[in-house]
Amino acid sequence: SAVISQKPSRDICQRGTSLTIQCQVDSQVTMMFWYRQQPGQSLTLIATANQGSEATYESGFVIDKFPISRPNLTFSTLTVSNMSPEDSSIYLCSVDPAGGIGAFFGQGTRLTVV
Amino acid sequence: GQQLNQSPQSMFIQEGEDVSMNCTSSSIFNTWLWYKQEPGEGPVLLIALYKAGELTSNGRLTAQFGITRKDSFLNISASIPSDVGIYFCAGPLSGGSNYKLTFGKGTLLTVNP
Repeated sequence: SAVISQKPSRDICQRGTSLTIQCQVDSQVTMMFWYRQQPGQSLTLIATANQGSEATYESGFVIDKFPISRPNLTFSTLTVSNMSPEDSSIYLCSVDPAGGIGAFFGQGTRLTVV
Repeated sequence: GQQLNQSPQSMFIQEGEDVSMNCTSSSIFNTWLWYKQEPGEGPVLLIALYKAGELTSNGRLTAQFGITRKDSFLNISASIPSDVGIYFCAGPLSGGSNYKLTFGKGTLLTVNP
């Protein structure tokens, strides 16, 4: 298994500002992913954070809005840029485990934009 | 796109009752995953299924991978209050690894003591 720490756990932000969310894993992992969970909804994949190259974004998500960094095999950041109330969601980091079974998730960052 | 249809949306049951929920798709999946999410936490993997027809248990939880590879169910026997949470089914996105997942909308389970 992998222990995943996300910071901050929650934040309330003003519209028009940006927030950077950090994801730290206790072991080196090949792949890291960022998901969004809107209020009362399921999880939607935003992007795959690739170490040493640009992130791969899913349909409906763009780099200008959600820039991602992956400086090494244990750390990644997701920035939510120029926030609006519609960005209020839980943002979750997930990683591939060494055993190759499913994915492990961090506890999430609960973002409220006012 | 690949959509997972999960039912029921919510369940209210008495402690000790058995629970059954299912997940269907119009697309074939090669892997089915069942997660539980508690308030303020990320999803936790409960059961992973890799083969059509596979029946797997994890304590009081049992899940099956449908023969058509388009459905799966999760059963919880003798429910207890700590079973409360949202249960999600998930499967790999088309062309992705087992870790790039698409999720169902979830089943909210409430257990009355």
